[in-house]
Amino acid sequence: QSALTQPASVSGSPGQSITISCTGTSSDVGSYNLVSWYQQHPGKAPKLMIYEVSKRPSGVSNRFSGSKSGNTASLTISGLQAEDEADYYCCSYAGTLWVFGTGTKVTVL
Amino acid sequence: EVQLVESGGGLIQPGGSLRLSCAASGFTVSSNYMSWVRQAPGKGLEWVSVIYSGGSTYYADSVKGRFTISRDNSKNTLYLQMNSLRAEDTAVYYCARGDVDSDAFDIWGQGTMVTVSS
Repeated sequence: QSALTQPASVSGSPGQSITISCTGTSSDVGSYNLVSWYQQHPGKAPKLMIYEVSKRPSGVSNRFSGSKSGNTASLTISGLQAEDEADYYCCSYAGTLWVFGTGTKVTVL
Repeated sequence: EVQLVESGGGLIQPGGSLRLSCAASGFTVSSNYMSWVRQAPGKGLEWVSVIYSGGSTYYADSVKGRFTISRDNSKNTLYLQMNSLRAEDTAVYYCARGDVDSDAFDIWGQGTMVTVSS
């Protein structure tokens, strides 16, 4: 049950695109298309942004998109905005269990 | 309104026990899978436990044998019984709904703080 690996921080200027990677193993990310992404602002509960690798819940901006290749999933934020500054976590089903990523702090320069 | 409200957190001495509750409204707990996720101060999210609609339960290795997840269908409430608490269990504990359609945690509570310290 090791945490999925994410970069500690990613930054970009307003309007730019950034991508956050999430690397797991063949027991989690590589085996299931059940990767989700969560946004968390300081002092707040996490918010679901992407589910089943690339699907967006109702109400989530289409600036957020997800993908997966092998054991690595990715979240891309396009047209970066100030309100996107937050922590982001990936999560994968791992066969009865779930595992979160180490988290990435996104900074809007 | 669909929401989750946690309660039961507090300050507890090492080795002690605590039971967290998570009251659900707007949906039926037993029709979904429900998890507890914790976040130590300044750290990332850590999945703790899940109870599936059929009643099966699973735990992270870090809490296995010490924590027990359960639900009361009549009260539409999720619980986490925490025994033999350690300093490293100090965290904000969130309950989250696992939506069967999206297979993701789509509803989260506001969290309840558990501090294990003498």
